[in-house]
Amino acid sequence: GAVVSQHPSWVICKSGTSVKIECRSLDFQATTMFWYRQFPKQSLMLMATSNEGSKATYEQGVEKDKFLINHASLTLSTLTVTSAHPEDSSFYICSASAAGATDTQYFGPGTRLTVL
Amino acid sequence: DAKTTQPNSMESNEEEPVHLPCNHSTISGTDYIHWYRQLPSQGPEYVIHGLTSNVNNRMASLAIAEDRKSSTLILHRATLRDAAVYYCILSRNSGYALNFGKGTSLLVTP
Repeated sequence: GAVVSQHPSWVICKSGTSVKIECRSLDFQATTMFWYRQFPKQSLMLMATSNEGSKATYEQGVEKDKFLINHASLTLSTLTVTSAHPEDSSFYICSASAAGATDTQYFGPGTRLTVL
Repeated sequence: DAKTTQPNSMESNEEEPVHLPCNHSTISGTDYIHWYRQLPSQGPEYVIHGLTSNVNNRMASLAIAEDRKSSTLILHRATLRDAAVYYCILSRNSGYALNFGKGTSLLVTP
């Protein structure tokens, strides 16, 4: 099946620093990628939808200047958490939808961010 | 988005079949019924999806009610590795974000 990777799988950073998370579709072209975050014992919450070559669409309550999303190619989307704070500590997960596909999305393994 | 209702948790013995129910009484005609599962500290994994007819794959079977207002995910022989949170989600196609509810936490005991 289609594979989506994320890098890094975990990261620990100091408060105030920025962290970049990469999401790659390894064997298919992804016209649309989604970013979710998941706090402990909660479900996944959509943060933003990213279409290749255009600006991301953010969900209500998600600060676009804090969570920068770039989807410059059909196989790569990045999420940058700028000036991270402890409350940004979470499990960040991306998913990708294949170009022309109508059936399913493919999820990355997630990135565990811990902000000290 | 049409919502789904699932039990918070279920328990099964290893090697026995498991039937995970999902109610979606407000489903629209274009909504597919998707099932994903999430193991601890991992991203969600696709399990199965369908529109009207029952579906089978190597992982599970999906039984869809005739009126489409409910469905059941069937794991034919549960293993310890099937312990996960199972999400029943309605979606028109893969170009739309998925609305994850709380899902059903499946516990499999030896």
